[in-house]
Amino acid sequence: GAVVSQHPSRVICKSGTSVKIECRSLDFQATTMFWYRQFPKQSLMLMATSNEGSKATYEQGVEKDKFLINHASLTLSTLTVTSAHPEDSSFYICSAREIGGDYGYTFGSGTRLTVV
Amino acid sequence: AQSVTQLGSHVSVSEGALVLLRCNYSSSVPPYLFWYVQYPNQGLQLLLKYTSAATLVKGINGFEAEFKKSETSFHLTKPSAHMSDAAEYFCAVSFGGATNKLIFGTGTLLAVQP
Repeated sequence: GAVVSQHPSRVICKSGTSVKIECRSLDFQATTMFWYRQFPKQSLMLMATSNEGSKATYEQGVEKDKFLINHASLTLSTLTVTSAHPEDSSFYICSAREIGGDYGYTFGSGTRLTVV
Repeated sequence: AQSVTQLGSHVSVSEGALVLLRCNYSSSVPPYLFWYVQYPNQGLQLLLKYTSAATLVKGINGFEAEFKKSETSFHLTKPSAHMSDAAEYFCAVSFGGATNKLIFGTGTLLAVQP
C-alpha cells in the first residue's frame, strides 16, 4: 500500500536555528502534500497545502516566512521551520494524496520538534 | 462553512462492549468522510473511508461506519472492543477534487477498561 516516510521523527534544536522536515511518498507520486501541526491532546490543524512545482497555499494565520514549504518533486515535500522559538515546539505531520488514487490520504509518522 | 464535529472528547468502554464514536459533518456539497486512528507519538492510520459508494463502510480491525445523509452523520462502530483499540480517533472530511484538503474533527480518546 501507499507509504509516506517522514524524517526526522524527533529533533531538538536551539532557539533561532532552522529545522527541515522531509516528507517522501515512497511508492506513489503526489502532486499535493499537506502539512499539519498537532499540539498535545489536540486535533490536527492544517498549516499548508504543498503543490509540486508551485507555491504552497497557507492556511489563515500561518506565517509563510516562518514555515517554508518546498515541493520540488512528485515524491518529496519539505517543511523548514525558520528561526525556531520554543512556541514552535509541536508535532508536525505530513500527508500525501496519490495522483489518480482513490481519495485516500496517507500520513507520515510525524516529527516531534522541541525548541530549547 | 464546511466542518466536522466529533461529540465526546473521551469515551470509555469495557472490553467486549460496543464502541460508538460519533461524527457529524456540515457541507453544502457531497462529502468524502474518513476515520483515522492515532496511537501516541505516531502518525495517522486510515480505518475506513466513504467516497459516495456504499453507505455502510467496513474498515480494518473490525470497525465500520455508516454514512447517513439525512442525519449528516458518519458514526464509527465496533461490536466488541479490544484493549488494543485504546487510542485517539479522528473523523475527517474532504470535499472532493484531487487537491482538496482534509479537515479534522477534534478527536475522541477511546479508553478500554478490562
